[in-house]
Amino acid sequence: ETGVTQSPTHLIKTRGQQVTLRCSSQSGHNTVSWYQQALGQGPQFIFQYYREEENGRGNFPPRFSGLQFPNYSSELNVNALELDDSALYLCASRYAGGRIGSNTEAFFGQGTRLTVV
Amino acid sequence: TQLLEQSPQFLSIQEGENLTVYCNSSSVFSSLQWYRQEPGEGPVLLVTVVTGGEVKKLKRLTFQFGDARKDSSLHITAAQPGDTGLYLCAGAGGNNRLAFGKGNQVVVIP
Repeated sequence: ETGVTQSPTHLIKTRGQQVTLRCSSQSGHNTVSWYQQALGQGPQFIFQYYREEENGRGNFPPRFSGLQFPNYSSELNVNALELDDSALYLCASRYAGGRIGSNTEAFFGQGTRLTVV
Repeated sequence: TQLLEQSPQFLSIQEGENLTVYCNSSSVFSSLQWYRQEPGEGPVLLVTVVTGGEVKKLKRLTFQFGDARKDSSLHITAAQPGDTGLYLCAGAGGNNRLAFGKGNQVVVIP
C-alpha cells in the first residue's frame, strides 16, 4: 500500500455534468500529479501541483482543472464532461526537495474509475 | 504520438518459462521507471534505473537501462502466475513528469 488514497473509487456521470475527484498524498510528500488512463492505454499526464501551484500541464483542455491544498491533498475537476473522458484517473504523489537527488519516486493511488454516459 | 513504445503489447506464456519485454524511445530520459498494474488498480513501482547500462534485479525480475538512456528491458525468469499484469515503463522528463508507454500485458498460465 502506497499511502496515496483517492476518492471515490467509482463514479458514473452524465455527459455535460461536472465532476470532482480527490487525492490524499502520502505523508511527507508535497507534489501531486494527475494522470488519465483510458482503456488499453498507458497513463497520460494531465498536470502537476507543487506547493499549491500548478507547475506542469499535459495536453488537456482548460475544462480540466485542479487544486492543491495546504496539507498537499489535491482535487481534479472536469467540467462539461464528454464521453471520451471515461477513464481511470490516477493521482501520484512524491517529495520534491529542490536539490539534486532530494526528489523521491512517485507513488500512485488506486485510481478513480469515471464512466460518462 | 507515444513517446515510449513497449513491445510486445501482449504476451502469454506457461508457468516456468522466461520472458523479456522492451521499452524503446527516441528521447533520452534522466531516469526510467517500471511499474506493474493489475486491473482496476493503480500502477505499483517496481524499479527506477538512472545510469546508462545499469542492471537491477528484483528477485526473478531483471531490469536493464540502455547505454544511451533511451531504452530498457525487463526479463522475468521462471515466470509465476503472480507475475501476470500490465507492465508499464515511464520516462522521467522535465519537472519529473512521467511519460508512459502503453504497457506490456503479460499473462502467465499455470
